[in-house]
Amino acid sequence: AQSVAQPEDQVNVAEGNPLTVKCTYSVSGNPYLFWYVQYPNRGLQFLLKYITGDNLVKGSYGFEAEFNKSQTSFHLKKPSALVSDSALYFCAVISSGSARQLTFGSGTQLTVLP
Amino acid sequence: SQTIHQWPATLVQPVGSPLSLECTVEGTSNPNLYWYRQAAGRGLQLLFYSVGIGQISSEVPQNLSASRPQDRQFILSSKKLLLSDSGFYLCAWSGPGTSGRNEQFFGPGTRLTVL
Repeated sequence: AQSVAQPEDQVNVAEGNPLTVKCTYSVSGNPYLFWYVQYPNRGLQFLLKYITGDNLVKGSYGFEAEFNKSQTSFHLKKPSALVSDSALYFCAVISSGSARQLTFGSGTQLTVLP
Repeated sequence: SQTIHQWPATLVQPVGSPLSLECTVEGTSNPNLYWYRQAAGRGLQLLFYSVGIGQISSEVPQNLSASRPQDRQFILSSKKLLLSDSGFYLCAWSGPGTSGRNEQFFGPGTRLTVL
């Protein structure tokens, strides 16, 4: 089985401050991990993914995420938040070699306050 | 470059009416295709996926069906809509293969309201 948890429904951060959106996962086998962003009434946009290799993954719009195998986490981070980063963020996981499809978390609404 | 289209963008249908949502992808060949439903602006539920023409896998038993008549065309249908079918329907594609490594690219979505 595979699952992903985003423990925070809502994250508020002031513009210019660092932001973190949390994600933990559970898979049997090695995970492939993804982050997506969704703006209101739009489709999801791919931000970044971890497949293998360096634990720190850099993605679009200045976002990065750190894979931590011991803590089964893949938190999304950005050093300095912008108001335009306000959106709904989804973490997703799939177990390598599994016949399962991608499993999405429930989403975290990020609000960056000016 | 690759693009994905969905239409219509919005749809209001009465209960019991049929449904047809269309998704097409340009600029790639033999993509994997997916239909998701997003209720209440939150979690995504995978409805169907397809790894090739005529190959459809259903993730959730329900009132809906999917077809893939052409390589880059994916259609979501229903013979009789239910109130619970309301939601935001998203189509997505990814590169071919079943490794799971490929990210998915999403269309703009269709907002369906069943009255």
